[in-house]
Amino acid sequence: GAVVSQHPSWVICKSGTSVKIECRSLDFQATTMFWYRQFPKQSLMLMATSNEGSKATYEQGVEKDKFLINHASLTLSTLTVTSAHPEDSSFYICRASSGSPDTQYFGPGTRLTVL
Amino acid sequence: GESVGLHLPTLSVQEGDNSIINCAYSNSASDYFIWYKQESGKGPQFIIDIRSNMDKRQGQRVTVLLNKTVKHLSLQIAATQPGDSAVYFCAENGPSGNTGKLIFGQGTTLQVKP
Repeated sequence: GAVVSQHPSWVICKSGTSVKIECRSLDFQATTMFWYRQFPKQSLMLMATSNEGSKATYEQGVEKDKFLINHASLTLSTLTVTSAHPEDSSFYICRASSGSPDTQYFGPGTRLTVL
Repeated sequence: GESVGLHLPTLSVQEGDNSIINCAYSNSASDYFIWYKQESGKGPQFIIDIRSNMDKRQGQRVTVLLNKTVKHLSLQIAATQPGDSAVYFCAENGPSGNTGKLIFGQGTTLQVKP
């Protein structure tokens, strides 16, 4: 079946540094990528929606200058957490969609820990 | 804002029993619903979905029931196995219709006792 990968699977960084997370759709073209954040024992919160070749649409309360999203191709989207702080420590998950409800899959997630 | 919620945060069942996980949604415009299973440290895994023109859909060992009158969704797992232990989330498409956005409920932890 379709697979979505994320890299890295986990990352530890120092406060103030930037971290880039990649999300790839491996065998289908993802016209839309959704980025979620999940804190421990909580639900998934949508951060932003990106369509290939367009600027991302951010949810209310999500800083677009802090969470930079790029979706330059139909198989790759990146989320960059700029000037990361300990409160940004979370599980970041992407969901790739071809536009059809039958072709949309979550990635395995990336655990970010900011020291 | 509108949200999808779950009635119980934790459900503990005996191996072999049937499990029923409930979800209440508040957006009457939602016409597509999905149940996901999430194991610790992993991304959500699709279980089953249902559209609003149906009230029941069956998969392998799972059944989703939709009651639009009371805005209620449930996931039934037959003959629950230890491997079913995970957090289960319901999700709805909300007022966004077919944009692909999903609103997630808070999740129910299913614990299967051997």
